Amino acid sequence: GAGVSQSPSNKVTEKGKDVELRCDPISGHTALYWYRQSLGQGLEFLIYFQGNSAPDKSGLPSDRFSAERTGGSVSTLTIQRTQQEDSAVYLCASSLVTGNYEQYFGPGTRLTVT
Amino acid sequence: EDQVTQSPEALRLQEGESSSLNCSYTVSGLRGLFWYRQDPGKGPEFLFTLYSAGEEKEKERLKATLTKKESFLHITAPKPEDSATYLCAVQAGNNDMRFGAGTRLTVKP
Repeated sequence: GAGVSQSPSNKVTEKGKDVELRCDPISGHTALYWYRQSLGQGLEFLIYFQGNSAPDKSGLPSDRFSAERTGGSVSTLTIQRTQQEDSAVYLCASSLVTGNYEQYFGPGTRLTVT
Repeated sequence: EDQVTQSPEALRLQEGESSSLNCSYTVSGLRGLFWYRQDPGKGPEFLFTLYSAGEEKEKERLKATLTKKESFLHITAPKPEDSATYLCAVQAGNNDMRFGAGTRLTVKP
């Protein structure tokens, strides 16, 4: 079946501009995660959505970062007033939470802020 | 604070040379320890979940084990196609997964 998809695959933006990154999770998966992976680093948790519950935003690095999930499916991560340190690969993952925490990842969006 | 440390950072093996990757963790209320494989330019691919000390899981040339403080990913007779970065992650009582920085494995033919 279809896996997690993300768009765009690459995004180059100028410092100070806003960007939106999209994630389409696996159908039926109720949990959705966003991570950031900087070059040579591990994955940094950003935000977690579970069904209709309030999202866990504890990993967002600043108030320039926000995310929403519409209809319990597609999610959008927005970064406002981008900075060069925001350059990274942004990964989305989804999972069936009940009794199973395995996460399935999308290919990521490589964001470059110039 | 929950922490996950992987070692070594990089490992170069000859084809057929078995070895182990280590993941040590400090977390309260472990719900699961996960191993992922990540190829360049791709998202991580799920390999194993371990839930309790003493548990072992195997898949082809890979075997994952878990103790109360660490997990090992044993690679038996590796092949060049096993070259990748192997990531370890732990999930505790909260909702987030905490990942290690990974071990970059290179298997030379």
